Amino acid sequence: GQNIDQPTEMTATEGAIVQINCTYQTSGFNGLFWYQQHAGEAPTFLSYNVLDGLEEKGRFSSFLSRSKGYSYLLLKELQMKDSASYLCAVRDNYGQNFVFGPGTRLSVLP
Amino acid sequence: GAGVSQTPSNKVTEKGKYVELRCDPISGHTALYWYRQSLGQGPEFLIYFQGTGAADDSGLPNDRFFAVRPEGSVSTLKIQRTERGDSAVYLCASSLTGGGSNEQFFGPGTRLTVL
Repeated sequence: GQNIDQPTEMTATEGAIVQINCTYQTSGFNGLFWYQQHAGEAPTFLSYNVLDGLEEKGRFSSFLSRSKGYSYLLLKELQMKDSASYLCAVRDNYGQNFVFGPGTRLSVLP
Repeated sequence: GAGVSQTPSNKVTEKGKYVELRCDPISGHTALYWYRQSLGQGPEFLIYFQGTGAADDSGLPNDRFFAVRPEGSVSTLKIQRTERGDSAVYLCASSLTGGGSNEQFFGPGTRLTVL
């Protein structure tokens, strides 16, 4: 089956660093995506990993280990506007079926 | 330029009725996806179009759900004999092509409520 796990909620302080983990078991693998979704809004793209390692993009970095079925999203210098849900999604090998995790709701406190 | 648009933004219907949800992708995007999202959950994949054809419809929950994209641009998701369990936000996304790192751009969604 297809399964993606993420922590349900996390809390962090403004200016701090937070790591959001994602583990996946899917029938195939053709890339892992992270999206940000503010309440009541559509998801917006943050990052893409298809090879093992770290991808850095400003305050956001994403890491992938395909052998472990594991990824994390690292957010640095947290700002209040980073309070949102963060969605991990895997594109499977056999088509364009995207499997999304349940999302991690991050609250950034002053 | 214009992003992905979806109409209507809200739809309230009665159990058993038929509804159509429309998606206008970003111009030039060949790939189009439909998802539905329930409160507190991640989007659930329904169907993917590459051009006019449904390349992957494995996420459609049953034969009450159908989607078309006749000219390779606008897509319509059709739900027959709606049930209360169909209530959700239906999201549409498009990307330049279907593979690689091409990010999906999501529309604002249609909130469907079945009474």
